[in-house]
Amino acid sequence: IAGITQAPTSQILAAGRRMTLRCTQDMRHNAMYWYRQDLGLGLRLIHYSNTAGTTGKGEVPDGYSVSRANTDDFPLTLASAVPSQTSVYFCASSEGDKNEQFFGPGTRLTVL
Amino acid sequence: QKEVEQDPGPLSVPEGAIVSLNCTYSNSAFQYFMWYRQYSRKGPELLMYTYSSGNKEDGRFTAQVDKSSKYISLFIRDSQPSDSATYLCAMNAGGFKTIFGAGTRLFVKA
Repeated sequence: IAGITQAPTSQILAAGRRMTLRCTQDMRHNAMYWYRQDLGLGLRLIHYSNTAGTTGKGEVPDGYSVSRANTDDFPLTLASAVPSQTSVYFCASSEGDKNEQFFGPGTRLTVL
Repeated sequence: QKEVEQDPGPLSVPEGAIVSLNCTYSNSAFQYFMWYRQYSRKGPELLMYTYSSGNKEDGRFTAQVDKSSKYISLFIRDSQPSDSATYLCAMNAGGFKTIFGAGTRLFVKA
C-alpha cells in the first residue's frame, strides 16, 4: 500500500516552461489538496478538491491550475513557471472533510 | 498578522527532557486543532488531533487547547533523539481549508 505518491521527486525548470506535478492516492479518499512549503511560511494551500469533478482555490492559487478527473489523481499544473514558484510541493488527501490529512513525500521544484 | 503564529526555533533539548511547543491564533472560528510531525525531506504526518478545549494524551504526547486564550500546546515527555523533527500546528474552522503554522524545529540531543 503506497498511500500517496508524487512525481517527480525533484525538478529544475526554466522560467516560462509548463510543468505538471503528479499526485496519486490509493486510499479512495474523496478530498485532495496541494500545498507549497517555503521556509518561514509553513504549508500554504494552493488548490483543493472535495470530490472528483470539483475543485476550489486555496490561499495561494495564482499561477497554478488543477483538475480532478477521477478519485485517485490530482495533478497540479504551472502554465508558465516563474522563479517565485521555487518551493517544495506536497499533495495530501483526507476522507471527506475530516481533518486528518495524509501527505505525499513532496516534489522539490526549482525554477531558474 | 498571520492567522497562526508559531516560533520557528530551533529548540534544542537533552534526551529525557520535557518539550513544550506552542502556537497562537487569531481566528476564533477555529475549532479543530492538529499537530503534525515532519522529518527532514519527508511529508508531514498527523501526530495529534483535538476538537475542544482541554487536554488530550497519547503516550508521551499531550495536546492542550485553550480557546479563551487562542493558544495551543504540544508537550513531549521523556524526549528521544528520534523526536528530532519539525512540528507543525494546524487549525481548521470546518471544511476543507486548514491553516498551518510555520513549524518549530526540535533537536533532541543524546
